Amino acid sequence: KQEVTQIPAALSVPEGENLVLNCSFTDSAIYNLQWFRQDPGKGLTSLLLIQSSQREQTSGRLNASLDKSSGRSTLYIAASQPGDSATYLCAVFEYGNKLVFGAGTILRVKS
Amino acid sequence: EAQVTQNPRYLITVTGKKLTVTCSQNMNHEYMSWYRQDPGLGLRQIYYSMNVEVTDKGDVPEGYKVSRKEKRNFPLILESPSPNQTSLYFCASTHRWAGANYNEQFFGPGTRLTVL
Repeated sequence: KQEVTQIPAALSVPEGENLVLNCSFTDSAIYNLQWFRQDPGKGLTSLLLIQSSQREQTSGRLNASLDKSSGRSTLYIAASQPGDSATYLCAVFEYGNKLVFGAGTILRVKS
Repeated sequence: EAQVTQNPRYLITVTGKKLTVTCSQNMNHEYMSWYRQDPGLGLRQIYYSMNVEVTDKGDVPEGYKVSRKEKRNFPLILESPSPNQTSLYFCASTHRWAGANYNEQFFGPGTRLTVL
């Protein structure tokens, strides 16, 4: 059974710092990996999607990498801002036609 | 605008009173699914549908029903809600890129359900 783990569970950093969020998954039989952002009590906003054949994707200050063979992905946020404060969720779309989520990393960027 | 809509957004009900949460997408996606989100447990799939009249159980289907009579709608039905179904529910629609192993999920805004 696919398991997705995110480390750390929570992170607090000063504004301007670069940071890395980690995601690992146990079964490499995936179509793609998707990073989401969720603000408290709100819905999910898709940030980046990496196909299983890709190594990384970039959008603005965000860069996500994927190492499918080792079951790892990282989300790099450059020059963090208070507006980046949210929960970040990693999810893999597996061959069983299901999106399996990690528990998330709660990020707080202090001004 | 491409979107997934859910209604209602907030619902407080009592044990045993049947309810339906509607979900609709305007992107002509074949694949849709329902998730619930609970503190400490993350998001878990309840049911999914590969196409019209094709539905299947996810990880936590007990106490829920779904139907898929038309491509755009995928309602979630709680025949006899119980307090342990108090949760935040998300409907999702998936764009599947044929031959590209690429499945992008789009989520609705969520429905916060409280069962007393």
